[in-house]
Amino acid sequence: ETGVTQSPTHLIKTRGQQVTLRCSSQSGHNTVSWYQQALGQGPQFIFQYYREEENGRGNFPPRFSGLQFPNYSSELNVNALELDDSALYLCASSFLGTEQFFGPGTRLTVL
Amino acid sequence: AQSVSQHNHHVILSEAASLELGCNYSYGGTVNLFWYVQYPGQHLQLLLKYFSGDPLVKGIKGFEAEFIKSKFSFNLRKPSVQWSDTAEYFCAVNALINTGTASKLTFGTGTRLQVTL
Repeated sequence: ETGVTQSPTHLIKTRGQQVTLRCSSQSGHNTVSWYQQALGQGPQFIFQYYREEENGRGNFPPRFSGLQFPNYSSELNVNALELDDSALYLCASSFLGTEQFFGPGTRLTVL
Repeated sequence: AQSVSQHNHHVILSEAASLELGCNYSYGGTVNLFWYVQYPGQHLQLLLKYFSGDPLVKGIKGFEAEFIKSKFSFNLRKPSVQWSDTAEYFCAVNALINTGTASKLTFGTGTRLQVTL
């Protein structure tokens, strides 16, 4: 059984740029959630995707957007990057959103 | 909106000492409760979970947690810690949102546990 994978591992961008992060779900899972973990904090819920549609959103602006594909993999897109977007971005997959399994994360640094 | 409070930000224990990490949550409905662990350089891993039934739940690596509904608490315990338990521990609550099919995890700020030899 393959766990949740994320790419890339690390990423450095400058303010104003756009970034795309990718996530592959664990086998058998149909729901993907994205979280932002700032240094020294717990993960914060960004949004959840189910059946290729956004199915719940946290307190993040519209420049955070996502996609879910038919194979349940997912992308997180962030436009107009700001310094405060520097964080570890975590993807979690689950079956119908209950018990969530996390990937290793993508460390984004915005300069 | 739900929230999770972890009272201990940094705990230092000697090997073989007993551990109890506090977690309180705020949510009016039915919740599922979790403890996750993040070892240095590794991803978040599930330690244990409570959905329903026996309020004392046992997880991996000798950890257990007790759900006390009247106190909105879900404290994590281990009778004897090991050096390898050094990690960050997060309490989380899972609640339904929006249409009832979506759910999100709300995390506490975490407790950094340092176990010394």
